Amino acid sequence: EAGVAQSPRYKIIEKRQSVAFWCNPISGHATLYWYQQILGQGPKLLIQFQNNGVVDDSQLPKDRFSAERLKGVDSTLKIQPAKLEDSAVYLCASSQGLAGGPTRRADTQYFGPGTRLTVL
Amino acid sequence: DQQVKQNSPSLSVQEGRISILNCDYTNSMFDYFLWYKKYPAEGPTFLISISSIKDKNEDGRFTVFLNKSAKHLSLHIVPSQPGDSAVYFCAASGSNDYKLSFGAGTTVTVRA
Repeated sequence: EAGVAQSPRYKIIEKRQSVAFWCNPISGHATLYWYQQILGQGPKLLIQFQNNGVVDDSQLPKDRFSAERLKGVDSTLKIQPAKLEDSAVYLCASSQGLAGGPTRRADTQYFGPGTRLTVL
Repeated sequence: DQQVKQNSPSLSVQEGRISILNCDYTNSMFDYFLWYKKYPAEGPTFLISISSIKDKNEDGRFTVFLNKSAKHLSLHIVPSQPGDSAVYFCAASGSNDYKLSFGAGTTVTVRA
């Protein structure tokens, strides 16, 4: 079974530039997550999708971050414009979820390798 | 607001000995706990979990203990092997809540 795929693996940009990350979850997984992991900290959830609908984006800085999951499969996360403090690893994860709605309990999440973003 | 805390950033242990990783949480609504393991340049991988209705869960060399009254859990790895050298994250979620709150991680180094 193929795992969660992410690209690019590394990205270096200057502040105020734009950047986009791509994620392909495990086939059949209904739920997709984007996390931000700043050096020395644990992953922090940015946004969760159930199929192609947003379940939780309460910690997404919506003035500069956006995400979409077209057709309930692949997802992209965009930052525009980037700030120095956005330097982090961006992790995508997926889980099976429950049919008919958001999971009532955190089911096992499978993570991709992440994209390391450096903003200069 | 850090609801899950791993106060030891690193742990060094000799091969064959026991590794004990600790995790504390502050949110009394948390009732499901997980440990993830992360190698460099890879994403975290699920290791073991425990529900609040239990106080112990074992899977091979890995055992997680939960002390609800102290809001504390620990992961025991015995015997420790060189391949166990990684960063270990503690995570927690609450009833009817899919969201995982992660600790900052503990880096384990197993010495030969």
